[in-house]
Amino acid sequence: QLVQSGAEVKKPGASVKVSCKASGYTFTDYGISWVRHAPGQGLEWMGWISGYNGDTKYKEKFQGRVTMTTDTSTNTAYLEMRSLRSDDTATYYCARDHDTQADYWGQGTLVIVSA
Amino acid sequence: DIVMTQSPLSLPVTPGEPASISCRSSQSLLDSDDGNTYLDWYLQKPGQSPQLLIYMVSSRASGVPDRFSGSGSGTDFTLKISRVEADDVGVYYCMQRIEFPFTFGPGTKVDIK
Repeated sequence: QLVQSGAEVKKPGASVKVSCKASGYTFTDYGISWVRHAPGQGLEWMGWISGYNGDTKYKEKFQGRVTMTTDTSTNTAYLEMRSLRSDDTATYYCARDHDTQADYWGQGTLVIVSA
Repeated sequence: DIVMTQSPLSLPVTPGEPASISCRSSQSLLDSDDGNTYLDWYLQKPGQSPQLLIYMVSSRASGVPDRFSGSGSGTDFTLKISRVEADDVGVYYCMQRIEFPFTFGPGTKVDIK
């Protein structure tokens, strides 16, 4: 099970940190992908982090503005996004991701960026 | 980045009838090192998180009815629903995971006629 933090409303230029707490499996055996769904758009893969050693892979458009981290003591993954813009308004999902599939997904966190 | 395309983008269906969605990738999703092809299918039902349907082209995820099947190779893939049910409505996405960044297709919206 993956349980995400609650909805956020942020002003342009601010930062947001979304959490994703995992349970029911060995956190370090799997990675976590982050995917967002903007209104009226399709799904967009943002990046992946290893639950084992924290290695990350980011989509280039997010490089430098997004940081994915994990805390293995609490089995929690985090997505931090800085310099928010209105087009970052979206629902952000975490998903347990190993080599062949993203099989469990969080419930989603709505982030609204508005002045 | 690998570009994923899907057709059709909208698919009205009749309950009990079959349905088919096509997905194409801009390059082969076959990993020559391990022989696996890394193509997933996901369904996002209205108001819900995406859910995994099919992984590695044709393997059904746990709990997915056998009405759903995946096929294809290389750059051309198909998701078939043998008999559509009302609960199958939503947006279907294919996604490649052979290389980073993973990329999704634009989605196919399936609704009932």
